[in-house]
Formats: sequence, C-alpha cells, structure tokens
Amino acid sequence: DAGITQSPRHKVTETGTPVTLRCHQTENHRYMYWYRQDPGHGLRLIHYSYGVKDTDKGEVSDGYSVSRSKTEDFLLTLESATSSQTSVYFCAISVDGQYQPQHFGDGTRLSIL
Amino acid sequence: QKEVEQNSGPLSVPEGAIASLNCTYSDRGSQSFFWYRQYSGKSPELIMFIYSNGDKEDGRFTAQLNKASQYVSLLIRDSQPSDSATYLCAVKRGGSQGNLIFGKGTKLSVKP
Repeated sequence: DAGITQSPRHKVTETGTPVTLRCHQTENHRYMYWYRQDPGHGLRLIHYSYGVKDTDKGEVSDGYSVSRSKTEDFLLTLESATSSQTSVYFCAISVDGQYQPQHFGDGTRLSIL
Repeated sequence: QKEVEQNSGPLSVPEGAIASLNCTYSDRGSQSFFWYRQYSGKSPELIMFIYSNGDKEDGRFTAQLNKASQYVSLLIRDSQPSDSATYLCAVKRGGSQGNLIFGKGTKLSVKP
C-alpha cells in the first residue's frame, strides 16, 4: 500500500457543475500526478506537481486545473464538467530520481451526465 | 508513430506456459522502463522496472531491455490464472521530471 488516498471513489454529477477530486499521500513524496484512463487511450497525464505550489500541464490538461498547497494534498478541479470528462481518474506519487517508479491510488470513477 | 506501443491483445496462454509481452518506444533518450499490472476495475500496480540493457529477473517475472532496438519485454513463467490482467508498459524520458509515457496495455488471459 503506497499510502495514497483518493476521494471520492465514485461520483456522478451533471454537465456544467464544478467537481474537485482529492489525492492525499502519507509518504511525503515530492511528485504527484493526475491521470485519466479511458478505453482505447490508456493512461494520459493531466497535470503534475513537483512541489508545493509547483505544477505543470500534462498531455490532456484542457478543462482541468490543479492546486497543491500542502505536500500531502493534490487537488484536481473540473471547473465546468463536460460529458467528455467522464473517466476513471488516478493519482500517482513518486520520489525524485530518474529510476523511481510511480505508485498509484485506487482511482475515482467520475460520471458526468 | 506512438511513443510507446504495445499489442493490445488479448494474449491467451495456457496455465503453466510462458507469456511474452512486448513493448516498443520511440524516444531514444528514454532512460528507465516499467511494467505495471492492472486487474479489471483496479489501479495499476508496479511489478518490474529495468534501466540497463539485458535481463532482470524477479521470481516468475523477467524484464528484458534492448535500447538499440528500442524494445522492452516482460516474460511471465509458469503463468497462472491469477496473472490474467492488463499489463502496461511505461517509459520515462531523461530529464522529464519523472513523467511516464504509458502504452495502452496488453490484455493477458491465462486459461486453466
């Protein structure tokens, strides 16, 4: 168990509503990541963080924002959810270093109707 | 050309056989390579990593890396029905702040 908690685990909401997903880690790792996983696309990086208040965009960042005010928490926000953002969202963490792997949380299944 | 490519499968092998999963990557600057296993409805779980050319063994699993051919593979010996899952290949480029590029995964089915 990598000490990663994602919340909520499941959420159903309506188009146009704001949604915030939370990733909490107990490992004090520097790097945190948000991915989405969709059939036919695999895992795609949305945003990542390399320290408190240090974030950057990934491959599919449009429509998403993130914040990291504490080492242990990384929030992903959909400002105005769309049906195309229906997906499974995974948070991952890693320590610094070229050969260090990422470890994943259990995921959040988000459905936008 | 996609950055990390895997045969989507499904790859079906009988119990006790060797399963061979393959992955190619396009960026010659890639430095480290990871294999994750993902059961249906679950999160990816790290099973192997390799960064030097050659073979690396861990129990029933062997990772093989050939940087000249830009090819990495995972062998599973004595396959068990519990090995049935999707296997994700992930590649980390040098200087990429830890970002991984994932293949779409190969679905493995081990038949009793």
